Amino acid sequence: EPEVTQTPSHQVTQMGQEVILRCVPISNHLYFYWYRQILGQKVEFLVSFYNNEISEKSEIFDDQFSVERPDGSNFTLKIRSTKLEDSAMYFCAGGDMQNNEQFFGPGTRLTVL
Amino acid sequence: QKEVEQNSGPLSVPEGAIASLNCTYSDRGSQSFFWYRQYSGKSPELIMSIYSNGDKEDGRFTAQLNKASQYVSLLIRDSQPSDSATYLCAPDYGNNRLAFGKGNQVVVIP
Repeated sequence: EPEVTQTPSHQVTQMGQEVILRCVPISNHLYFYWYRQILGQKVEFLVSFYNNEISEKSEIFDDQFSVERPDGSNFTLKIRSTKLEDSAMYFCAGGDMQNNEQFFGPGTRLTVL
Repeated sequence: QKEVEQNSGPLSVPEGAIASLNCTYSDRGSQSFFWYRQYSGKSPELIMSIYSNGDKEDGRFTAQLNKASQYVSLLIRDSQPSDSATYLCAPDYGNNRLAFGKGNQVVVIP
C-alpha cells in the first residue's frame, strides 16, 4: 500500500538558519498539507496546497514559511529563518478530492538550538 | 476561535471492554469528521471518517455523529492492548483544513 514519505526524520539546526523539509505524497493525491505538532500539544494546520498553489494557510504560516512542489513528486516546506519556537514535529499529509480524507507521513522532528 | 473539545483523560479500560470517546466542535459548517489514532512519537493514522448523522461501523470501531448537537464520538469494542494510544478528533473546518482536538489517551489494561 502506498505511503507518504518524509525526509529527514530528524533535523537539528541553529536558530536563524534555513531548513527545507521534504515530502513525497501518494501519487494519486491532489491535495497536500503541512501540519505541525509542538511536543505535548495538539496537531495544528499550517497550509494546504492544490493545483500548484496555496489554497489556505493558517495564522502560523507567516512570511518565514513557504511551500513548493518543484517536480511531480516532491512537496517541500521551507522555513527561512528558524526560531526556537519552530521546534516541533512537522507532518506532511495528502488526500484526494473524493472524501476529504487526509493521510499523514511519518513526520520530521525539527529541533532548533 | 473554532474549537474542538475532547474530554480529559487518560481513559483506562480493561482488555475486552468498550472504550467511549467524545468530542464537541464549534463550527456548525463542518461537514466531514475524522478520528485519528496517534501512538506516542508517531504520526496520526486515520481510523474513521463520518459525514452524515448517525452511526458508522468499521470493524471494532463505531463513530457516531450528531450535527445538531455538534458532537461526534468513537466507540472501541473489545479493546486490545494495541489500542492504547491517543485518539484525535478532527472536523474539517472548510477547504480541507482539519482542526484537531488535544486528544483522548486510552490505556487498555491486560
